[in-house]
Amino acid sequence: EAQVTQNPRYLITVTGKKLTVTCSQNMNHEYMSWYRQDPGLGLRQIYYSMNVEVTDKGDVPEGYKVSRKEKRNFPLILESPSPNQTSLYFCASSFPGTRRFNEQFFGPGTRLTVL
Amino acid sequence: AQKITQTQPGMFVQEKEAVTLDCTYDTSDQSYGLFWYKQPSSGEMIFLIYQGSYDEQNATEGRYSLNFQKARKSANLVISASQLGDSAMYFCAMRENVGSYQKVTFGIGTKLQVIP
Repeated sequence: EAQVTQNPRYLITVTGKKLTVTCSQNMNHEYMSWYRQDPGLGLRQIYYSMNVEVTDKGDVPEGYKVSRKEKRNFPLILESPSPNQTSLYFCASSFPGTRRFNEQFFGPGTRLTVL
Repeated sequence: AQKITQTQPGMFVQEKEAVTLDCTYDTSDQSYGLFWYKQPSSGEMIFLIYQGSYDEQNATEGRYSLNFQKARKSANLVISASQLGDSAMYFCAMRENVGSYQKVTFGIGTKLQVIP
């Protein structure tokens, strides 16, 4: 089954404790992206990646890191989480170069709470 | 300036009626894409429809159509024959080319409620 998986789905942590949210897709997609969703703000892009070893900042990259060492994986790293990073996080992937490039496949979301 | 503007925080529609969800956008790119996603209360993001900036005809996908007015920079979603299952948040989004990269911006969403 074609899908984007994220782990963990739910996480409660404390300020300053490093964490990683994993994202993996099995569709051989080149483009991957991370978003955060907050009430009244919609989805905001954190980072995106056009391909392996190619990443760039979205609109709200502060406090986050990403890496793209393999095509299928795109982990989101919070080196020192703060309460303002409490949010719902989505990973998405798509295959650029096709007309349906914008049909990003989204993961199920990770609800993160930073105390 | 907002790149994607959705001015309707909430909308009601009677079952079986049509409804239009508004979206305006702002870009200086000549090549861009516009699309709509649905987010039911369960939380997943569901792709609905896509319109390329060079597409001459409005996109349609089943009961969904995109009313694309390039000069007005609007990309409204029209849902025909609304169903109770259409109750959800709806997000308009835009893909822009930023050099060799492609950035995606979402609007803040419109909550649609279908009334029996």
